[in-house]
Amino acid sequence: KAGVTQTPRYLIKTRGQQVTLSCSPISGHRSVSWYQQTPGQGLQFLFEYFSETQRNKGNFPGRFSGRQFSNSRSEMNVSTLELGDSALYLCASSLDRPNTGELFFGEGSRLTVL
Amino acid sequence: AQSVTQLDSQVPVFEEAPVELRCNYSSSVSVYLFWYVQYPNQGLQLLLKYLSGSTLVKGINGFEAEFNKSQTSFHLRKPSVHISDTAEYFCAVSPSSNTGKLIFGQGTTLQVKP
Repeated sequence: KAGVTQTPRYLIKTRGQQVTLSCSPISGHRSVSWYQQTPGQGLQFLFEYFSETQRNKGNFPGRFSGRQFSNSRSEMNVSTLELGDSALYLCASSLDRPNTGELFFGEGSRLTVL
Repeated sequence: AQSVTQLDSQVPVFEEAPVELRCNYSSSVSVYLFWYVQYPNQGLQLLLKYLSGSTLVKGINGFEAEFNKSQTSFHLRKPSVHISDTAEYFCAVSPSSNTGKLIFGQGTTLQVKP
């Protein structure tokens, strides 16, 4: 069974640009969550989508947005990039029923903002 | 609000020695507790979880943890570590098992020395 796939794995952008990251969850998983990981702030929850609806949202500015498609694939977008947006962005998927509380993480997309 | 404190940022230990990684949480409601491991350049992998029932939880790779409600702790232990256990370990809390939103601690780097 394929794991969570994130693309691209690495990317470099400049300040003011925007970026879109993609996440394909494990087959059958309908919940997708996004996290930002930085050395200073650690792992922080961005948002969660379930059945194309945002179910939870973290404390990030409106420049961070996401969506989920009918096939459960998800994208997140960051507009007007800032240097502080440099981070590893992790996507995780989970089963809804039966729910085991386990998140399955992808390997992440490493964003560098210059 | 919920929070998680991992009391040690780095734990050096010799191979085959026992190890304990400490985690304390704060919450006014019932919680679900998790330990995840992250190897270099990889995503997170679930080691073990406490949802309910027995307070001693066994996970993968010989790890176990004990949920202590009175001390609001969920320490991770392994009786004998291997070089391959070198990684970063994250404790996390959630108010529900049915959510992709986890609150993570800052992480503990376990360094196993030969």
